[in-house]
Amino acid sequence: DVKVTQSSRYLVKRTGEKVFLECVQDMDHENMFWYRQDPGLGLRLIYFSYDVKMKEKGDIPEGYSVSREKKERFSLILESASTNQTSMYLCASSLGAVSNQPQHFGDGTRLSIL
Amino acid sequence: KNEVEQSPQNLTAQEGEFITINCSYSVGISALHWLQQHPGGGIVSLFMLSSGKKKHGRLIATINIQEKHSSLHITASHPRDSAVYICAVGYGGSQGNLIFGKGTKLSVKP
Repeated sequence: DVKVTQSSRYLVKRTGEKVFLECVQDMDHENMFWYRQDPGLGLRLIYFSYDVKMKEKGDIPEGYSVSREKKERFSLILESASTNQTSMYLCASSLGAVSNQPQHFGDGTRLSIL
Repeated sequence: KNEVEQSPQNLTAQEGEFITINCSYSVGISALHWLQQHPGGGIVSLFMLSSGKKKHGRLIATINIQEKHSSLHITASHPRDSAVYICAVGYGGSQGNLIFGKGTKLSVKP
């Protein structure tokens, strides 16, 4: 079974801090994704990566950056955290294009920015 | 732009009832995904289908490509089926982007 592991389940940070969310998958998947999930808005794609050092912006990339130095690890970075980035963050991976491959999700990180 | 609509938004059922959740989308797709999210946040992929019907245990997913509509059925529902069920679509050439519905919150009472 594919395992996608997010480094923290709950995280509390302060406004202006630089925040790192880490995600690791163990199945040699090509594609990795970062989403945020807010009540009433559903899942929204922040960034995805289809190869090491490759990244593509999703629907809401502003205020975020990502890093993929190794195939198994995809990091989401909040450069200067703000209260409107309080949310649930979900990492996912897939073997290939999501048009024909299932996604495998981590357990999520509930991030609070004070 | 592809829109994904789910209905109902909320659903309460008694244990043992047959449940149907619907998903409609607006343009042609290559695959439709059904996901399950339990309280606490983790999401599990239930089905990915591009035609016909798939079954896994008490769960059945169907898709009608012509009508741009999919249904998720749960037979003999149980309180442990209580979760949010999310429909998402992927379209040809899309490496990274699924379009998600807002989810259906199901509560099954004993």
